[in-house]
Amino acid sequence: DTGVSQNPRHKITKRGQNVTFRCDPISEHNRLYWYRQTLGQGPEFLTYFQNEAQLEKSRLLSDRFSAERPKGSFSTLEIQRTEQGDSAMYLCASSKGTANTEAFFGQGTRLTVV
Amino acid sequence: KQEVTQIPAALSVPEGENLVLNCSFTDSAIYNLQWFRQDPGKGLTSLLLIQSSQREQTSGRLNASLDKSSGRSTLYIAASQPGDSATYLCAVPDDMRFGAGTRLTVKP
Repeated sequence: DTGVSQNPRHKITKRGQNVTFRCDPISEHNRLYWYRQTLGQGPEFLTYFQNEAQLEKSRLLSDRFSAERPKGSFSTLEIQRTEQGDSAMYLCASSKGTANTEAFFGQGTRLTVV
Repeated sequence: KQEVTQIPAALSVPEGENLVLNCSFTDSAIYNLQWFRQDPGKGLTSLLLIQSSQREQTSGRLNASLDKSSGRSTLYIAASQPGDSATYLCAVPDDMRFGAGTRLTVKP
């Protein structure tokens, strides 16, 4: 098991373009989380899934943001019509989802909107 | 809604000192709390998971305690080393809310 994998690691896009990030969780982890992190701040919760069900979405996740986990395995986070304020590190984590289990993070995708 | 606070925001100590990082949470109905370390520009590395039934959890020079009734957890680092320099974050379930972290610098 290679841990949580996120792709791409870096993405530079022009304002107004759409971007999509992918997260592959640890196998058999049925819970998957997405976070956004800006410099000097802790991770801000965006959303999480239990298998393919999206259980909670932060109000930070505006209409331009959408996340999917269609088969309960990998997940994608799409940002439409990107803005400069979307520039951040996007982090994904997974866990077994039962009580008292650790969450493990990927290395993140750094998005720069120019 | 759960809120997590970490104090201090930054800490600078000479090598060899023992230190304590604090994490407070508003909703005591938690079943575990997890401590992480983050190096600049990297993802988060899990350090310790402390369950609600435990009062302490130890890993090497790290010791985490949990007091649900007071809504507090502490991370104790013994004999600090320059390699411990990083940001330390705590998170509580169910949706893994984080504090802003404590940025630790250990000077040689």
